[in-house]
Amino acid sequence: AQTVTQSQPEMSVQEAETVTLSCTYDTSESDYYLFWYKQPPSRQMILVIRQEAYKQQNATENRFSVNFQKAAKSFSLKISDSQLGDAAMYFCAYRSPTGTASKLTFGTGTRLQVTL
Amino acid sequence: SAVISQKPSRDICQRGTSLTIQCQVDSQVTMMFWYRQQPGQSLTLIATANQGSEATYESGFVIDKFPISRPNLTFSTLTVSNMSPEDSSIYLCSVVLNRATGELFFGEGSRLTVL
Repeated sequence: AQTVTQSQPEMSVQEAETVTLSCTYDTSESDYYLFWYKQPPSRQMILVIRQEAYKQQNATENRFSVNFQKAAKSFSLKISDSQLGDAAMYFCAYRSPTGTASKLTFGTGTRLQVTL
Repeated sequence: SAVISQKPSRDICQRGTSLTIQCQVDSQVTMMFWYRQQPGQSLTLIATANQGSEATYESGFVIDKFPISRPNLTFSTLTVSNMSPEDSSIYLCSVVLNRATGELFFGEGSRLTVL
């Protein structure tokens, strides 16, 4: 079974600075999808960014980018120019292309604090 | 994206009672997913709700405890039966709009507290 590990329970970043959240996963599959989700205090999970394993290019969405290292099974999220609204729980998730469609395995999350 | 509405947003329940959570989507979707998020924990998939067939439950979750209905392509309910304090969690409804990528869109969640 796939596992997703987020080794940083909490992180803190100053406004306008850059922070990187770590995620590693374990899989024997070669093709899969990886996601970062954000859960603010309002509770609603919001998709931040998606990476397809077959793509070598790292995904980027505005201030959010990933460093996808397939061989190392690492999928970190970089947030640039951090804003107060970035404060939230961030979950890394893995999706296998086989089995139950869209069954995602989530990591335990990283709580990001943004300070002035 | 999709607009996913969940009711109730939150509730406080007594031990031994049951509560039904509703999930309404503003577009037709084939599969809906119910997740549980226990306090301070990550998300765990309870079951996949398919329209026209019985839900598919993950290991550790059973239909008697978490009966699910899926009467049409825009609506589903999850019932938490015979609740105990251990059932205190956020329950999240989610859907897939792009089956190729499988990314999930979530409702706002229903926070249940069982006394």
